Amino acid sequence: AQKVTQAQTEISVVEKEDVTLDCVYETRDTTYYLFWYKQPPSGELVFLIRRNSFDEQNEISGRYSWNFQKSTSSFNFTITASQVVDSAVYFCALSPPSYNTDKLIFGTGTRLQVFP
Amino acid sequence: ETGVTQSPTHLIKTRGQQVTLRCSSQSGHNTVSWYQQALGQGPQFIFQYYREEENGRGNFPPRFSGLQFPNYSSELNVNALELDDSALYLCASSGGPGETQYFGPGTRLLVL
Repeated sequence: AQKVTQAQTEISVVEKEDVTLDCVYETRDTTYYLFWYKQPPSGELVFLIRRNSFDEQNEISGRYSWNFQKSTSSFNFTITASQVVDSAVYFCALSPPSYNTDKLIFGTGTRLQVFP
Repeated sequence: ETGVTQSPTHLIKTRGQQVTLRCSSQSGHNTVSWYQQALGQGPQFIFQYYREEENGRGNFPPRFSGLQFPNYSSELNVNALELDDSALYLCASSGGPGETQYFGPGTRLLVL
């Protein structure tokens, strides 16, 4: 079975704090993709990153960084020096190989609140 | 903005009615996927259309059906609405199966 677990339901931080959102996944496939999406109050899911299962290099994009560890089936997301505009619900998602049904399997999301 | 548009933005229906939701894909994208997001939950995959053919379906009953048109826009139809169908319906387009999916703003459906 394929599953994504985001154990943190809600996180509150004060502006400029660093925050890490956890994501643990389950799959029997050797090839898969992992994603992070941001959902602001408006509702639209905003794509942040896509990572191939064979690429375990960490990635940094501005204040955002991602730590992919295949050994622990985790794909964690860190925001450095958080800002009020980072307040949103963040979803981690898993996608099976393209020869299977092409769908995104989402976790239940982590609501991040950044206070000024 | 992704260039994916959805209409209407909000909709109120009563139980037993039928509803049609519409999605225009991003320019150059030939694949559209639909998701249902209940309050406080992650989106759940309904189905995907690729070049006007259904290309995979999630665990949704047959009263959820869809279409994709030659311009790659898509419709989601739900018959015999139930109260539990109240949700945010999200459409995503991609350049093909397996490519990154980019989402529209969603349609909020309330069934009374």
